[in-house]
Amino acid sequence: AQSVTQLDSQVPVFEEAPVELRCNYSSSVSVYLFWYVQYPNQGLQLLLKYLSGSTLVKGINGFEAEFNKSQTSFHLRKPSVHISDTAEYFCAVALGGNTDKLIFGTGTRLQVFP
Amino acid sequence: EAQVTQNPRYLITVTGKKLTVTCSQNMNHEYMSWYRQDPGLGLRQIYYSMNVEVTDKGDVPEGYKVSRKEKRNFPLILESPSPNQTSLYFCASRVGVNVQPQHFGDGTRLSIL
Repeated sequence: AQSVTQLDSQVPVFEEAPVELRCNYSSSVSVYLFWYVQYPNQGLQLLLKYLSGSTLVKGINGFEAEFNKSQTSFHLRKPSVHISDTAEYFCAVALGGNTDKLIFGTGTRLQVFP
Repeated sequence: EAQVTQNPRYLITVTGKKLTVTCSQNMNHEYMSWYRQDPGLGLRQIYYSMNVEVTDKGDVPEGYKVSRKEKRNFPLILESPSPNQTSLYFCASRVGVNVQPQHFGDGTRLSIL
């Protein structure tokens, strides 16, 4: 079955430290990949997406992600986090290029401490 | 301002009492979708609609109905709510071209007692 795994349910980190949020997927077909962020009491906001081309994708708020086809991963990174980055982050996959049905991971709660 | 608006934002109700959660978007998007978010399960798609009068089931459609009579509106209907439908619900929309990202509403928290 196709699935998306976010290995860490919670990631605590100090302000200005680097962070990596991990996402792995399983699929026998090509994929589009997305990272969304959810701030408290808000809907999801797109951080970045990979459709094709360069495997390193840059998004908003200083985040970037790298698509690794051999490892079926799409990890999210930021070199220096801020308090305001505290939120829940979701990885999502669209199978076979069909974004009509996104498959979401279970989410990673990033908690940034001063 | 481009937005997806859901109402109500919060609702506590009882088992079996029909309810409707409205969703409206002002971006003239063809595609709209409903998700539920539960702890440890992420977001799961309930129904989606490619355009007016075109709807299809997502991964967890049981117990829900939708309609798409107008392009801007996509209400979610629970004919006979049950406690296992207690959840946080999100509506989303995007333009018809499927590589574009979905825009999400702020969510509706439903509690079914």
